[in-house]
Amino acid sequence: ETGVTQSPTHLIKTRGQQVTLRCSSQSGHNTVSWYQQALGQGPQFIFQYYREEENGRGNFPPRFSGLQFPNYSSELNVNALELDDSALYLCASSRDRDGSYTFGSGTRLTVV
Amino acid sequence: GIQVEQSPPDLILQEGANSTLRCNFSDSVNNLQWFHQNPWGQLINLFYIPSGTKQNGRLSATTVATERYSLLYISSSQTTDSGVYFCAVYNNAGNMLTFGGGTRLMVKP
Repeated sequence: ETGVTQSPTHLIKTRGQQVTLRCSSQSGHNTVSWYQQALGQGPQFIFQYYREEENGRGNFPPRFSGLQFPNYSSELNVNALELDDSALYLCASSRDRDGSYTFGSGTRLTVV
Repeated sequence: GIQVEQSPPDLILQEGANSTLRCNFSDSVNNLQWFHQNPWGQLINLFYIPSGTKQNGRLSATTVATERYSLLYISSSQTTDSGVYFCAVYNNAGNMLTFGGGTRLMVKP
């Protein structure tokens, strides 16, 4: 059983640019959630996708958007990057919306 | 929203020592998970524990949902146990985890 995989592992972008992060969910999981983790802090919920529909959103502006595909993989898109968007972005999948979460290794985004 | 507090924030142990990490939460929750974040950033699921006690090798966890706390026990600690331990609780809708601030553990040889 493959786990959650994220790509890329590291990324450097310039302020104002756009970025797309990708996540493949664990086999058998239909729910994907995205979290942002700033240095020295706990992860913060961005949003969750369940069967290709957004199923809850945290306190993040609309320039953070996402997609879930029929195979349950997901993308996180961030427009108009700001320096404060520099963080570790974690994707988690679960069997259902409130099931046990399995996290990927994350994408470390640096905005300069 | 729900508040999650972990203690202690930092912990240094000598290899072989035992420790208890605590997680308090401000409201009733449907479920709770404990994670270990390794130095490369990956969150490893340790326990999915809405109530009761579970054990996995040298680790065990107890959640007392009615009193709004959970404990993680690490026995005979090893240097590989170093990292950050997070407690995370589910909201009532079950679609969001709220994380505590973590306990940063260093185990010295």
